[in-house]
Amino acid sequence: KAGVTQTPRYLIKTRGQQVTLSCSPISGHRSVSWYQQTPGQGLQFLFEYFSETQRNKGNFPGRFSGRQFSNSRSEMNVSTLELGDSALYLCASSLAPGTNYGYTFGSGTRLTVV
Amino acid sequence: AQKVTQAQTEISVVEKEDVTLDCVYETRDTTYYLFWYKQPPSGELVFLIRRNSFDEQNEISGRYSWNFQKSTSSFNFTITASQVVDSAVYFCALSEAQRGGKLIFGQGTELSVKP
Repeated sequence: KAGVTQTPRYLIKTRGQQVTLSCSPISGHRSVSWYQQTPGQGLQFLFEYFSETQRNKGNFPGRFSGRQFSNSRSEMNVSTLELGDSALYLCASSLAPGTNYGYTFGSGTRLTVV
Repeated sequence: AQKVTQAQTEISVVEKEDVTLDCVYETRDTTYYLFWYKQPPSGELVFLIRRNSFDEQNEISGRYSWNFQKSTSSFNFTITASQVVDSAVYFCALSEAQRGGKLIFGQGTELSVKP
């Protein structure tokens, strides 16, 4: 069965622009989480969605937002990009919230802000 | 506060050596889950193991083994007879039952296995 699909794989944006990243979970998985990975801060939790509702949110500014659609696909948006937003953004899907089910990660979207 | 510490930033071994990656965690919850993930250069995080706080049995899967000790808040990972394909960054992570799916990751240990 197909894994977690993230698009695009690579993205280059200019400071001040906004960007939208997409994540398609494994079929049947209804929970989607997002993480930011940078060399300095490591892997940090952004937010988690289940049934189109944000259930959990990390400590990121309001420029970072997300949503989940009825088919469980999720998007995250970053507005007014800053150089520090350059990172690998990883999406993970699970059957449902809570770690009884485990999380499967996608290959990520590498965002470069110039 | 929740925290995961992987004190070893980089480890380099020669093929066939055994290597242990250390992980120490902090949590106030009594119900929590511990994970190990492998991240090859492609970037994807590959799930290796999940352990809940009530199961302290050690586990072995092929060349991989995990030692969970609640008394020392540690969840160490050993690779026996390492191979070049084991070269990757390995992450230990913690999730607390009350906080749903939020994973708290350690800083990772970069393992390099040389032929």
